[in-house]
Amino acid sequence: SQTIHQWPATLVQPVGSPLSLECTVEGTSNPNLYWYRQAAGRGLQLLFYSVGIGQISSEVPQNLSASRPQDRQFILSSKKLLLSDSGFYLCAWKGDSAYEQYFGPGTRLTVT
Amino acid sequence: AQSVTQPDIHITVSEGASLELRCNYSYGATPYLFWYVQSPGQGLQLLLKYFSGDTLVQGIKGFEAEFKRSQSSFNLRKPSVHWSDAAEYFCAVGAGTNAGKSTFGDGTTLTVKP
Repeated sequence: SQTIHQWPATLVQPVGSPLSLECTVEGTSNPNLYWYRQAAGRGLQLLFYSVGIGQISSEVPQNLSASRPQDRQFILSSKKLLLSDSGFYLCAWKGDSAYEQYFGPGTRLTVT
Repeated sequence: AQSVTQPDIHITVSEGASLELRCNYSYGATPYLFWYVQSPGQGLQLLLKYFSGDTLVQGIKGFEAEFKRSQSSFNLRKPSVHWSDAAEYFCAVGAGTNAGKSTFGDGTTLTVKP
């Protein structure tokens, strides 16, 4: 069966520090991968998606970037964090079934 | 482009009472429709989905949803709510050839009173 992992689970970082969040999927190949952010009490905002290795599409201009160095690995990064980057970051994958997405457990990021 | 509206930001029901969460979508054709549930501090879990066929679909945890084309709605229902159903619920729409992206509603928070 397929599983999706995210780490770390929680992170507290000072403003201006770098960021690296990792997402890995097991049990599937060539999935579409997605990064979402969920601000407190808000809905989901799609940040990036990827349909293959090295292929990244950005949905909104921001302080973040994404990379997909391997088929089942998706990384969210920042060179310098802002207070507004705080939130709950979710990674998701989509397999062969159209549009059906499966989410990881999320990373809670607090920028201080 | 498609859009999703969940009119109720917050709903409170008593344990054992019935539940209906509303979802309206905007799209020119029949889209793929989903309901997800999110417990506090966790990721989203797929409850059920509609692609085609029978307009009443059954999901996990005793939930069901009905697709009504004439009303552009996909409401989620449960006949008897349990305290463990307290969570946030998201309706989502998938449509078009856009890398499988879905559009999510803003969510409805469900509180269950004992």
